[in-house]
Amino acid sequence: EAGVAQSPRYKIIEKRQSVAFWCNPISGHATLYWYQQILGQGPKLLIQFQNNGVVDDSQLPKDRFSAERLKGVDSTLKIQPAKLEDSAVYLCASSLLGTSARNEQFFGPGTRLTVL
Amino acid sequence: AQSVTQLGSHVSVSEGALVLLRCNYSSSVPPYLFWYVQYPNQGLQLLLKYTSAATLVKGINGFEAEFKKSETSFHLTKPSAHMSDAAEYFCAVRGRGSNYKLTFGKGTLLTVNP
Repeated sequence: EAGVAQSPRYKIIEKRQSVAFWCNPISGHATLYWYQQILGQGPKLLIQFQNNGVVDDSQLPKDRFSAERLKGVDSTLKIQPAKLEDSAVYLCASSLLGTSARNEQFFGPGTRLTVL
Repeated sequence: AQSVTQLGSHVSVSEGALVLLRCNYSSSVPPYLFWYVQYPNQGLQLLLKYTSAATLVKGINGFEAEFKKSETSFHLTKPSAHMSDAAEYFCAVRGRGSNYKLTFGKGTLLTVNP
């Protein structure tokens, strides 16, 4: 079974530039998550989709971050414009539909963003 | 609100020694608790989870954790460390019902010395 795919793996940009990350979840997983992991901290949920609808985006800085999952499969996360404090690893995860704890979240390898 | 606190950002053990990584949680309802492992430049992998069945939970790679409600703890242990266990470990909590967001601790980096 293929895992969660993310690209690019690494990205270096200057502040005020724009950047986009892509995620393809495991086939059949209706729920998709984007996490931000700053160095030395645990992952923080930015946004959660169920199919193509947003379930939780309470911690997404909406003035600069946006995310979409138009067809309920793959997703993109965009930052525009980037700030120095956005330097982090952006992790995508997916799980089966539903709130059961048996629905394990599977994580992709992440995209490491460096903002100079 | 729910949260987890991992005691010790860095733990160093000798190969063959006991591994103990500490996690305390705060939750207004009985929680689901998880331990994840992250190897360098990789995503997170689930080690084990507590979902209110047995309080002693066995996971992959010889790890286990015990849920202690009276101590609000969910410490991770392994009887004998192996070099391949060197990684960062994250404890996470999830609420029940509609509150199913995972909240992670800051992580504990485990170093295994030969």
